[in-house]
Amino acid sequence: QQPVQSPQAVILREGEDAVINCSSSKALYSVHWYRQKHGEAPVFLMILLKGGEQKGHEKISASFNEKKQQSSLYLTASQLSYSGTYFCGTAGAGSYQLTFGKGTKLSVIP
Amino acid sequence: NAGVTQTPKFQVLKTGQSMTLQCAQDMNHEYMSWYRQDPGMGLRLIHYSVGAGITDQGEVPNGYNVSRSTTEDFPLRLLSAAPSQTSVYFCASSPRPEVSEQFFGPGTRLTVL
Repeated sequence: QQPVQSPQAVILREGEDAVINCSSSKALYSVHWYRQKHGEAPVFLMILLKGGEQKGHEKISASFNEKKQQSSLYLTASQLSYSGTYFCGTAGAGSYQLTFGKGTKLSVIP
Repeated sequence: NAGVTQTPKFQVLKTGQSMTLQCAQDMNHEYMSWYRQDPGMGLRLIHYSVGAGITDQGEVPNGYNVSRSTTEDFPLRLLSAAPSQTSVYFCASSPRPEVSEQFFGPGTRLTVL
């Protein structure tokens, strides 16, 4: 079952902040975040693991609430280059399947 | 390193035709997968492989076939193309998918008429 992302779309002015949420009904071992620009492949941003470990880009921050099976991606001081569609992917323990949400379209305008 | 490569980039098929989408990686990753991406639906897993000779179904496997004879290659076969298979197809590889980054290929845009 696909995780649920919110909001579906958001428009920001340069310098503003945004939060993208990802929620699952299944017990999670990890949450992955990717960004995709139009016509391109998804690009890795971050992985959050059960137990608190995080791997990813230094300028990206995110949280993982293991009790609620929820994750949030925090985009601060947005730049034009942040525009794109953000996907969360979730995996259970021992699972080889990464299940993606439907995406959140972020548009940053001058 | 070329990373993950996919061919062709674009393809148009007629209903009922068969074809193979090619995917190769040079990172020695055991795990490879195929996703399809449709507008508003995100990325949906078609098939995946955890090593040469081992494949399994994902969320939307019907109408597709895979095999994995080498670590490097993971082709996706459309047995009898249908308009519902019009989509963008991405291949990805990873050392361990649940704890590692997935590296995506550039995608194949397929149209079935």
